[in-house]
Amino acid sequence: AQTVTQSQPEMSVQEAETVTLSCTYDTSESDYYLFWYKQPPSRQMILVIRQEAYKQQNATENRFSVNFQKAAKSFSLKISDSQLGDAAMYFCAYRRGTGTASKLTFGTGTRLQVTL
Amino acid sequence: DAEITQSPRHKITETGRQVTLACHQTWNHNNMFWYRQDLGHGLRLIHYSYGVQDTNKGEVSDGYSVSRSNTEDLPLTLESAASSQTSVYFCASSDGARTGELFFGEGSRLTVL
Repeated sequence: AQTVTQSQPEMSVQEAETVTLSCTYDTSESDYYLFWYKQPPSRQMILVIRQEAYKQQNATENRFSVNFQKAAKSFSLKISDSQLGDAAMYFCAYRRGTGTASKLTFGTGTRLQVTL
Repeated sequence: DAEITQSPRHKITETGRQVTLACHQTWNHNNMFWYRQDLGHGLRLIHYSYGVQDTNKGEVSDGYSVSRSNTEDLPLTLESAASSQTSVYFCASSDGARTGELFFGEGSRLTVL
């Protein structure tokens, strides 16, 4: 079974600084997707960024980018120019790429604090 | 706008009672999922469905059941609520496309006393 590990329960960053959240995963598949979801205090789960395993280029979405290291099975999220609104729980998630099995496996989450 | 709604948003119940959490989506998605969120565990899959009359067990399905009689709804039933089922429950849906993005409801907080 696939597993997703987030080894940082909590992280803190100053406003306008850069922070990197770590995620590793274990799979024997070659075709898969990786996701970062944000959960603010409202509890709503919001997709931040998605990476397709067959793409070597790291995904970026505005201030959010990933460092995808397929051989190392590592998928870290970098938040640049951190803002107060980035404070949230962040979940890394894995999905197999084949078939209709769109169910996601989530990590345990990293709580990000943003300070002034 | 299409959306996915859960009800109730908050519920307190007693041990042994049957509880049903509703999930309704207007995305017309075939795939629907129920997750529970607990501190230190992230989100864990309870049950999922790939279409009408299809249901499947996830990794933490004991004590839960679902039914899928139409595309829009996937109610989650706790047959006999236990204190270990105190949690926040999320319903999600996807269209089954290759990218597999999940769209989540706002969550239902259930407390079992």
